[in-house]
Amino acid sequence: NAGVMQNPRHLVRRRGQEARLRCSPMKGHSHVYWYRQLPEEGLKFMVYLQKENIIDESGMPKERFSAEFPKEGPSILRIQQVVRGDSAAYFCASSPQTGQGANGYTFGSGTRLTVV
Amino acid sequence: GEDVEQSLFLSVREGDSSVINCTYTDSSSTYLYWYKQEPGAGLQLLTYIFSNMDMKQDQRLTVLLNKKDKHLSLRIADTQTGDSAIYFCARGAAGNKLTFGGGTRVLVKP
Repeated sequence: NAGVMQNPRHLVRRRGQEARLRCSPMKGHSHVYWYRQLPEEGLKFMVYLQKENIIDESGMPKERFSAEFPKEGPSILRIQQVVRGDSAAYFCASSPQTGQGANGYTFGSGTRLTVV
Repeated sequence: GEDVEQSLFLSVREGDSSVINCTYTDSSSTYLYWYKQEPGAGLQLLTYIFSNMDMKQDQRLTVLLNKKDKHLSLRIADTQTGDSAIYFCARGAAGNKLTFGGGTRVLVKP
């Protein structure tokens, strides 16, 4: 039973390029969350999705960032026209119906984005 | 200030107990969590506590919750070098999301 799979593990982009981060949730999990971790900081919530629906995007920057979780395939976090401040570790988590308590959230190993 | 706060750093000798503290401001949380992050890795759920509990013990880990003071702690007994990592407390917020503290870096010295 594979855990939450994120790829790529490391991504280097030049300023102005696009970054696409992928997340495949655990089998049986229908809820996906994206978090961003800036250097030396904790994780900040970005967006919460179910299949084909964005449930909560209150943590997403208003411009350049978008997320989707299609009916088939992984969840994608897309960052357009990247800037140096986007350099961070991006973590995906998944959960079954509700993520609270014993079920918890299972995190992937993250994608470390470096903008040069 | 931040919703969830932790001290930045803790140094402890191998074999001693470690105590990592966390305070939060929002009392509406139903669950509070402790995660461990090793260098270059994702987050590993260590333990959690429901908000109507005072204490939870799981092998070397003891979680204490003082709901009145909004204070959460994680005690690691017999700390080992493999316990060196960053420890995050988090609270379950409305809408299924988590709010994290900034993390406490624990260094275990032999």
